[in-house]
Amino acid sequence: DGGITQSPKYLFRKEGQNVTLSCEQNLNHDAMYWYRQDPGQGLRLIYYSQIVNDFQKGDIAEGYSVSREKKESFPLTVTSAQKNPTAFYLCASLATNTGELFFGEGSRLTVL
Amino acid sequence: EDQVTQSPEALRLQEGESSSLNCSYTVSGLRGLFWYRQDPGKGPEFLFTLYSAGEEKEKERLKATLTKKESFLHITAPKPEDSATYLCAVQAGSGGYQKVTFGIGTKLQVIP
Repeated sequence: DGGITQSPKYLFRKEGQNVTLSCEQNLNHDAMYWYRQDPGQGLRLIYYSQIVNDFQKGDIAEGYSVSREKKESFPLTVTSAQKNPTAFYLCASLATNTGELFFGEGSRLTVL
Repeated sequence: EDQVTQSPEALRLQEGESSSLNCSYTVSGLRGLFWYRQDPGKGPEFLFTLYSAGEEKEKERLKATLTKKESFLHITAPKPEDSATYLCAVQAGSGGYQKVTFGIGTKLQVIP
């Protein structure tokens, strides 16, 4: 089945540690996105990539990093510089002909 | 700056009690308005795309409409399985980059 696969679904991290969230898609979409979702707030854009080897900061990029070495993969690293990393992270890819975003199931990160 | 405001933030309905959710927006160069459904702990799932004022889309008990400044999601005779958070998003921008801005959502609870 075509779709977006995020892993892990749940992740616990100690303060001061970096952690990488995986996002893989087999929809052949060029554009991919990372969002963060907190209670009472809408989805906020962290980073996006329109094409391989290119990515841009979103509205809340501080403390995060990404890479886009393959079309299918867009991993997100939450660094120790991110002051409040506990959140629900969503990866998505874009169907450019319709504008529809296809989302993964999300990764819930908890910093202990 | 693009803005999307959804109201109400929460809505509780009796089964069969019809109602509407509102999404008002301020964007420059609207390319599309989207409705998504999100179940707890899951990624959002696409419902509708609306491109121009006057357009309407229907799916089962849901009907989405669009004016120049807002969109409504009408729910007719809802059932408990319609309980979810409904997200509105707008896509705007020119050229290759298609920025998508989300509202905070309306959490709908349908009581049997």
